[in-house]
Amino acid sequence: QSALTQPPSASGSPGQSLTISCTGSNTDIGTWIYVSWYQQHPGKAPKLIIYEVNKRPSGVPDRFSGSKSGNTASLTVSGLQAEDEADYYCSSHAVSDSAYVLFGGGTKVTVL
Amino acid sequence: QLQLRESGPGLIKPSETLSLSCSVSGGYISSSAHHWAWVRQAPGKALEWIASIYFTGTSYYKPSLRSRVTISIDTSRNEFYLKVTSVTAADTALYFCVREEKSTAFSWGQGTLVTVTS
Repeated sequence: QSALTQPPSASGSPGQSLTISCTGSNTDIGTWIYVSWYQQHPGKAPKLIIYEVNKRPSGVPDRFSGSKSGNTASLTVSGLQAEDEADYYCSSHAVSDSAYVLFGGGTKVTVL
Repeated sequence: QLQLRESGPGLIKPSETLSLSCSVSGGYISSSAHHWAWVRQAPGKALEWIASIYFTGTSYYKPSLRSRVTISIDTSRNEFYLKVTSVTAADTALYFCVREEKSTAFSWGQGTLVTVTS
C-alpha cells in the first residue's frame, strides 16, 4: 500500500490559481468517493478542507475546490492568498484484504 | 465543541511498547456516525494513517503496521488507545488522534510527540 503520489512542491503568485494532483490506483481513488484534502500550517494540526472529492466543510472558502478523474484527484486553489502557503495532503479510503486510509506524500505550496 | 487530547510517554526506548491514549470531550465516543483513528507524522515527513476503531470494537489497520499495532476503545471512559510494539527510531513521530466519518478526519487533536531513543 504505497502512499498516494503528490508533487512535492507547487507555487503561484497572489490571485493566481494552482492545482495539486494526487494519484492513486483502482483500489483507492479510482473506486471510492472518500477522497479528502487537508491543509497543514507549520506546527499546527492538519485541517480538513475538502471531503468526498468535492465537498467543503463549513467555514472553508469556496476558493478551494476538488475533483477526481480515474485514479487521480485534484485540489484547486483559486485566487491564491498569502495564508494559503502551507502543506497540503490528499487521502483516500482504500481496500485490500481490509479497509484502511492512505495519505499522499504532501505538497508544499508557496505563495510567491 | 469536540475536543481530542492525546497523551503519551514522550520518550521511549527501542524495542519497548508504546502506549498512547486519546481523551474525547464534547462528544460521545459511542456515536454510531464516527470512527476514531490514529494518524502520525514523523519529523518533516508526511501524514501516515495507522488504525481506526468503531465504538463496537471493530477495528481497521494499515496493512504494513498491522503486526505491531493494536487500537482499542473504552466507551465508559470516552477514550481510545493505541499500542505499538517493538518500537524503533522509525516510530518517532507526532501522533494525532482524530474523529473520522467515512474515512475522513473531520476533527484532530493537537498531537503528542513520541521520540524513540536509547
